[in-house]
Amino acid sequence: KAGVTQTPRYLIKTRGQQVTLSCSPISGHRSVSWYQQTPGQGLQFLFEYFSETQRNKGNFPGRFSGRQFSNSRSEMNVSTLELGDSALYLCASSSQGGDTGELFFGEGSRLTVL
Amino acid sequence: DQQVKQNSPSLSVQEGRISILNCDYTNSMFDYFLWYKKYPAEGPTFLISISSIKDKNEDGRFTVFLNKSAKHLSLHIVPSQPGDSAVYFCAASDNFGNEKLTFGTGTRLTIIP
Repeated sequence: KAGVTQTPRYLIKTRGQQVTLSCSPISGHRSVSWYQQTPGQGLQFLFEYFSETQRNKGNFPGRFSGRQFSNSRSEMNVSTLELGDSALYLCASSSQGGDTGELFFGEGSRLTVL
Repeated sequence: DQQVKQNSPSLSVQEGRISILNCDYTNSMFDYFLWYKKYPAEGPTFLISISSIKDKNEDGRFTVFLNKSAKHLSLHIVPSQPGDSAVYFCAASDNFGNEKLTFGTGTRLTIIP
């Protein structure tokens, strides 16, 4: 079955703008998580959605927000972009019933803020 | 404060030899640990996991060891193959199935043919 799909794959924005990233989870997966990857920081948890509700949130400012739709697709939004927001944004989905607890990641959306 | 630490940014190993990747954690609440592998331009893929009730888990060439008292885990790859060249991330959560994972900064493994 199709994996996690993220769009767009690459984008360039300028400071002060806002951006919306999209994620389609694996069919049947109801949990979607978002992570930010920057050099030297590893992957940092942004938030997790399950059945359209934010279930968990990381330590990011309120400029970072997300939502999940009834079909489990998710979007995340970053407003008032800063240079430090340049990163790879990864979406992951999970089945909530698997025997390894693993997350299935998409290829990511690489955001460059100029 | 980095709660999961991978102190070796890079590691080079001869093909056929054992690769040992290390990870330390500081949060005593962590009780489930995972290893992910990441190739360039791809998302991380799950390799192997271990619960805190175990001290070893094996899957083919991959074995993860957990030392709870030392708050240390390691991933052994035997024998190492060129296709194992990737960045390896250690991750931890406070319970099985929790999507909020705390990741280390990764170790770039290069297998030398």
